[in-house]
Amino acid sequence: DQQVKQNSPSLSVQEGRISILNCDYTNSMFDYFLWYKKYPAEGPTFLISISSIKDKNEDGRFTVFLNKSAKHLSLHIVPSQPGDSAVYFCAASGNTDKLIFGTGTRLQVFP
Amino acid sequence: NAGVTQTPKFQVLKTGQSMTLQCAQDMNHNSMYWYRQDPGMGLRLIYYSASEGTTDKGEVPNGYNVSRLNKREFSLRLESAAPSQTSVYFCARNLPDEQFFGPGTRLTVL
Repeated sequence: DQQVKQNSPSLSVQEGRISILNCDYTNSMFDYFLWYKKYPAEGPTFLISISSIKDKNEDGRFTVFLNKSAKHLSLHIVPSQPGDSAVYFCAASGNTDKLIFGTGTRLQVFP
Repeated sequence: NAGVTQTPKFQVLKTGQSMTLQCAQDMNHNSMYWYRQDPGMGLRLIYYSASEGTTDKGEVPNGYNVSRLNKREFSLRLESAAPSQTSVYFCARNLPDEQFFGPGTRLTVL
């Protein structure tokens, strides 16, 4: 049973526009959520996170929104840049050090 | 890669062969993890270690063993490799609130 789901395997966005990546979770015990970015042949790198006590966290061009009642979070990238082209994973954790990852969304930003 | 090194970077094995993937961190963090990444499956936790000398199973532990002999190193062993273990393997270390990943080992089992 997939506890963290990213239902869009891929997304294509024009440079300068907004990219919205979505993530759903099923476990109401999750209280911390993260987004990771992964380029080919590299390990994932941390991008941004949000605690369940918040509904929004912003860091430069990246904003994560959390809707606890819907068990849904989203990552907004604005404006999108070609260097943002990568695979994005959302992840969630409860009261342990373990992260549960989604299946990833491949974002392509074209000129 | 955030102070996490993995060796080797690439490996090809024949079915039934054994090998150990090495991971080392250059910080003094307690928690370390082994994941595998497969197309359409995301990152799945194989084993993790909350501290030196302790290990616990993750989501997909079958066919693997781990060893955490000291705080710095966490190794993953395949005793008898199978084609289903063809994957990219990532080691990670934990800081509060995020994990840092190594560059990965691409393993092919023929």
